[in-house]
Amino acid sequence: AQRVTQPEKLLSVFKGAPVELKCNYSYSGSPELFWYVQYSRQRLQLLLRHISRESIKGFTADLNKGETSFHLKKPFAQEEDSAMYYCALSDQAAGNKLTFGGGTRVLVKP
Amino acid sequence: GAVVSQHPSRVICKSGTSVKIECRSLDFQATTMFWYRQFPKQSLMLMATSNEGSKATYEQGVEKDKFLINHASLTLSTLTVTSAHPEDSSFYICSASGALGTDTQYFGPGTRLTVL
Repeated sequence: AQRVTQPEKLLSVFKGAPVELKCNYSYSGSPELFWYVQYSRQRLQLLLRHISRESIKGFTADLNKGETSFHLKKPFAQEEDSAMYYCALSDQAAGNKLTFGGGTRVLVKP
Repeated sequence: GAVVSQHPSRVICKSGTSVKIECRSLDFQATTMFWYRQFPKQSLMLMATSNEGSKATYEQGVEKDKFLINHASLTLSTLTVTSAHPEDSSFYICSASGALGTDTQYFGPGTRLTVL
């Protein structure tokens, strides 16, 4: 069965500092990975997906199949980046259902 | 675009009653809708997947007779928590995919259920 692990429950950084959220996965097929973000009192929204290889709000994530990782990075964190971040894996063999990691709360201090 | 709504946003009910939660895709036809449950300070756990016009597929450990899912149209899915008990209190979130021909899931705002 697929699994997504986010080892850090909380990341606290100062504004302007780099931030990296770790995500590791286990999946027997060809993975499709996503990062979702949930700002305070808002719904979950897609931040980026690995197949699009785009940068959203300054965030990037690279799929490393050798290390089975999909870490999320931003070189200069902003206060508005404070939110809950979830890494998710899509099981294409099962109707694209998502398996979520436990989530990482990011707090960007001024 | 790709907006998903849920109704109600919060509901309080007595133990033993049933509660229906609606999930609507407002500006696209959702080929598939998903129902999740989220406990405080925990991640989302998939409960079931539903496709329009067919029976929902439930995840292991989710009682299909307890959590009835109906996906009657391409824009509406409902989750009914039957004979609710305090342990069913949780945050229920739906998502829908099918917008722009992609499989990206778009999430509703969630429904907080409290069973007294």
